[in-house]
Amino acid sequence: GQNIDQPTEMTATEGAIVQINCTYQTSGFNGLFWYQQHAGEAPTFLSYNVLDGLEEKGRFSSFLSRSKGYSYLLLKELQMKDSASYLCAVRCYRLAFGKGNQVVVIP
Amino acid sequence: EPEVTQTPSHQVTQMGQEVILRCVPISNHLYFYWYRQILGQKVEFLVSFYNNEISEKSEIFDDQFSVERPDGSNFTLKIRSTKLEDSAMYFCASSELGARLQETQYFGPGTRLLVL
Repeated sequence: GQNIDQPTEMTATEGAIVQINCTYQTSGFNGLFWYQQHAGEAPTFLSYNVLDGLEEKGRFSSFLSRSKGYSYLLLKELQMKDSASYLCAVRCYRLAFGKGNQVVVIP
Repeated sequence: EPEVTQTPSHQVTQMGQEVILRCVPISNHLYFYWYRQILGQKVEFLVSFYNNEISEKSEIFDDQFSVERPDGSNFTLKIRSTKLEDSAMYFCASSELGARLQETQYFGPGTRLLVL
């Protein structure tokens, strides 16, 4: 089976840095994805990790530790448009999603 | 930039009726997926499809569900006899290849299904 755990909500101010954690226990592992989902919209791809370490993509960075079953997404220089739910998804073949972490950015 | 499209954006149906949700995956993609998201809950995998057959399905994807690629561009999800609990947002996704490194699934905008 698959179990992916994320905290449910956090609030941060514009310009700040937030770290969104994800822990997982899955029967297989073929990479971990982070998606952003605005309310009522489709998930959009942010980043992908399959090897341990940090992947940086502009204001977003994602880290993976396979031995610990742990990943985080780091959002820097927060903007109002970053208010969304951030979904961690582990791929075996299918994508298994966590419940998502709702980030609310306040001015 | 190519994108996955889905129609309709919203569908309201009576319990027991059949619905067909349509998707047009990105044109050079070979793997197709359906996911659903019940309001306030996580995105759940339903089925993956490759080379005109189902490659994997979840426990949610029971006999009342079926998928089809009726032509070279469309990918459909049929729910034979809808139940109240089928009310959800249904997302189609596609990927160029399958479970390989750095193989990203791109999602369509979703169809919101409401069963009354």
